[in-house]
Amino acid sequence: EPEVTQTPSHQVTQMGQEVILRCVPISNHLYFYWYRQILGQKVEFLVSFYNNEISEKSEIFDDQFSVERPDGSNFTLKIRSTKLEDSAMYFCASRAQGGGTDTQYFGPGTRLTVL
Amino acid sequence: KQEVTQIPAALSVPEGENLVLNCSFTDSAIYNLQWFRQDPGKGLTSLLLIQSSQREQTSGRLNASLDKSSGRSTLYIAASQPGDSATYLCAVSEPGANSKLTFGKGITLSVRP
Repeated sequence: EPEVTQTPSHQVTQMGQEVILRCVPISNHLYFYWYRQILGQKVEFLVSFYNNEISEKSEIFDDQFSVERPDGSNFTLKIRSTKLEDSAMYFCASRAQGGGTDTQYFGPGTRLTVL
Repeated sequence: KQEVTQIPAALSVPEGENLVLNCSFTDSAIYNLQWFRQDPGKGLTSLLLIQSSQREQTSGRLNASLDKSSGRSTLYIAASQPGDSATYLCAVSEPGANSKLTFGKGITLSVRP
């Protein structure tokens, strides 16, 4: 069964460093998302991406964040200068088609620890 | 702004019990509602999706219902097993093609052998 994959599973970085989190969505999916979950808190929407551009972003997704689909398979989230409060589990998700009728499939997550 | 609430935060039941997990949301203008399972330190596994025009969905021992007008959903688990122990999250899909999900905090279920 097709699945969303994410690498690395755990990333440790120093405050102020740049990190890139990688995702490979399910191959025929068109909509891509990043969510994050700070320990003990709700899963929060960060950004959605469709047709090679950001379609919606949350207040959390400020200028320190960017997303890219550099080729036909990868979808990346970059944090330019990490802060302590960026420590969280980051989930990538993908969905086949529009209209809100289809399931979002989530990857296993990348645990980001900022020291 | 959509808010999703799941109460209680934790639940412990003996094996074999039938149980109901509740979810409520403040804005009834949703496209669909998904129930997820999350094991400790792991990702989210989709269990059931109910479209806004549907009343319920079933998969094996799981049955999810949706009452959009009252802003409520329930996940019914029949004959619970220790392997069902996990956190169950409810999420609603907001209007618009992007259909971003708004999540509840989840209910941590423990099924005692």
